[in-house]
Amino acid sequence: AQSVAQPEDQVNVAEGNPLTVKCTYSVSGNPYLFWYVQYPNRGLQFLLKYITGDNLVKGSYGFEAEFNKSQTSFHLKKPSALVSDSALYFCAVRGSLSGGYNKLIFGAGTRLAVHP
Amino acid sequence: ETGVTQTPRHLVMGMTNKKSLKCEQHLGHNAMYWYKQSAKKPLELMFVYSLEERVENNSVPSRFSPECPNSSHLFLHLHTLQPEDSALYLCASSQDRTGIGIQYFGAGTRLSVL
Repeated sequence: AQSVAQPEDQVNVAEGNPLTVKCTYSVSGNPYLFWYVQYPNRGLQFLLKYITGDNLVKGSYGFEAEFNKSQTSFHLKKPSALVSDSALYFCAVRGSLSGGYNKLIFGAGTRLAVHP
Repeated sequence: ETGVTQTPRHLVMGMTNKKSLKCEQHLGHNAMYWYKQSAKKPLELMFVYSLEERVENNSVPSRFSPECPNSSHLFLHLHTLQPEDSALYLCASSQDRTGIGIQYFGAGTRLSVL
């Protein structure tokens, strides 16, 4: 079965320090991987995705993610955290539906808290 | 603003009430989704519509009834809900069904069932 795990409920980091939000996945075949962010009282916003190609994917707001096939991981990173990055981050993998349709399977989310 | 609008933003209802959630997308997308978001749990996909045809009903109780009258509008009709149905209900849309496109989410409806 396809699944996503985000092992940390919360990540705390000081402003200006690098941040990492972890994600591991389990799929059959080639994975299509995504990161979304949710700010308070808002819906989810797309950050970046990995379909194929370079293992390092760059996305919005200075975020990037590294695809590691051997470790089945897709960790989200940023070299220098901002207080405004504080939000809930979701990792997702493409799953299958009947009739040739597909869906996103989300992890439980990781709350990122960036302290001044 | 993501182009997906949900109303109302907040809803409080008793277990015997009937209410509806509305979602509208202004992006020209062909697929629309309902998700349930509960604290510290993965988003739960409830329903998927593509070109107004329901393609997924993810074992959702019959007290939730979706309706997709056209490709821009999606409703979730609620009746005889239970307190455990209290959650944030998110609507999303995407260009197509491939699953590699971006999903655009509304801000959600915060539902409280008393």
